[in-house]
Amino acid sequence: EAQVTQNPRYLITVTGKKLTVTCSQNMNHEYMSWYRQDPGLGLRQIYYSMNVEVTDKGDVPEGYKVSRKEKRNFPLILESPSPNQTSLYFCASSGGQSNQPQHFGDGTRLSIL
Amino acid sequence: AQKVTQAQTEISVVEKEDVTLDCVYETRDTTYYLFWYKQPPSGELVFLIRRNSFDEQNEISGRYSWNFQKSTSSFNFTITASQVVDSAVYFCALTYYRGSTLGRLYFGRGTQLTVWP
Repeated sequence: EAQVTQNPRYLITVTGKKLTVTCSQNMNHEYMSWYRQDPGLGLRQIYYSMNVEVTDKGDVPEGYKVSRKEKRNFPLILESPSPNQTSLYFCASSGGQSNQPQHFGDGTRLSIL
Repeated sequence: AQKVTQAQTEISVVEKEDVTLDCVYETRDTTYYLFWYKQPPSGELVFLIRRNSFDEQNEISGRYSWNFQKSTSSFNFTITASQVVDSAVYFCALTYYRGSTLGRLYFGRGTQLTVWP
């Protein structure tokens, strides 16, 4: 089954404790991205990757890091999480053409205390 | 710059009513794609439709229909005979295409639709 898998689905943690949210897709997609969703703001892109070893900033990259060492994986790293990073996070992937819809993971709800 | 505006933050209707969700976009690209996604209470994002800038034909899929008008930069979504299961947040999104470059996806802020029994 074609899917984007995020882990964990839920996480409550404390300020400053490094965390990683993993994202994996099994569709051999070149393009992967991370979004955060906050009430009233819709989805905002954090980082995206056109292919292996190619990443770029989205609209709200501050406080986040990503890496793309393999085509299927695109982890999101919060080196020193802060409460303003409490949000619902989505990973997405798509093929190399703009007309292809992005496939989204089920989301990760992060709470930073 | 790319921008998607969904002016309706929340809409409430009673079951069986028709409802239209508005989406207005801004782009300077001549080739672009528009999408609608549904986010039910369970939280996942479900792809509904894709439209490219060269195809202004309206589309109907069951109770769902989409009206794309380049003259007004709008891509509105209508649900006919709404049902309680249609209750969700609906997002309109835009991406562009320049040569071989894949564009980023820009989302509107979403419209919360509540359908009452």
